[in-house]
Amino acid sequence: RKEVEQDPGPFNVPEGATVAFNCTYSNSASQSFFWYRQDCRKEPKLLMSVYSSGNEDGRFTAQLNRASQYISLLIRDSKLSDSATYLCVVNQAAGNKLTFGGGTRVLVKP
Amino acid sequence: DAGVTQSPTHLIKTRGQQVTLRCSPISGHKSVSWYQQVLGQGPQFIFQYYEKEERGRGNFPDRFSARQFPNYSSELNVNALLLGDSALYLCASSFITKGETQYFGPGTRLLVL
Repeated sequence: RKEVEQDPGPFNVPEGATVAFNCTYSNSASQSFFWYRQDCRKEPKLLMSVYSSGNEDGRFTAQLNRASQYISLLIRDSKLSDSATYLCVVNQAAGNKLTFGGGTRVLVKP
Repeated sequence: DAGVTQSPTHLIKTRGQQVTLRCSPISGHKSVSWYQQVLGQGPQFIFQYYEKEERGRGNFPDRFSARQFPNYSSELNVNALLLGDSALYLCASSFITKGETQYFGPGTRLLVL
């Protein structure tokens, strides 16, 4: 079993719609959680950290469920510019090693 | 402020050769991590350095080595290149080592022929 698993997609989303997807992680001792966005042939860029209480940044909402060991990302009012691969990232308890999921590809279409 | 910088941006090598990739962290950041991203997959952790010491190593063969310099810049070396080493090599920096957000450079795209 992979340490961090994501549905690779693609999620084809009409512009203006809402899309949500999850990521599961296997290490119950994981400490920090993030969503990174990666555009084609570019480096990953931090989208948002994920906190136990859940957090929102504009049109993006992230949730963490420690009991079930998953995190989620919801994008409201999708824009064409939201088309990207979204990487679920978990920071293991020891050190600062980031473990990445394989990414979920989102395609927003007019 | 400048972000994480990496050089070169692209590199073509042949099997058996050696390569050195370079990374300069964000000013004030003392920790550098290296990741390998093969096409279609998420990045995989290779090394972490903090204050010039190795603080973490991923599941990569001994052909991969790295070091960090007093100015916190870092080099990743790969010996005896294999075709499977073709990938995007990403450097990420953070202020400290534990639990902190890492910021990525643009990467070095390595092609091994």
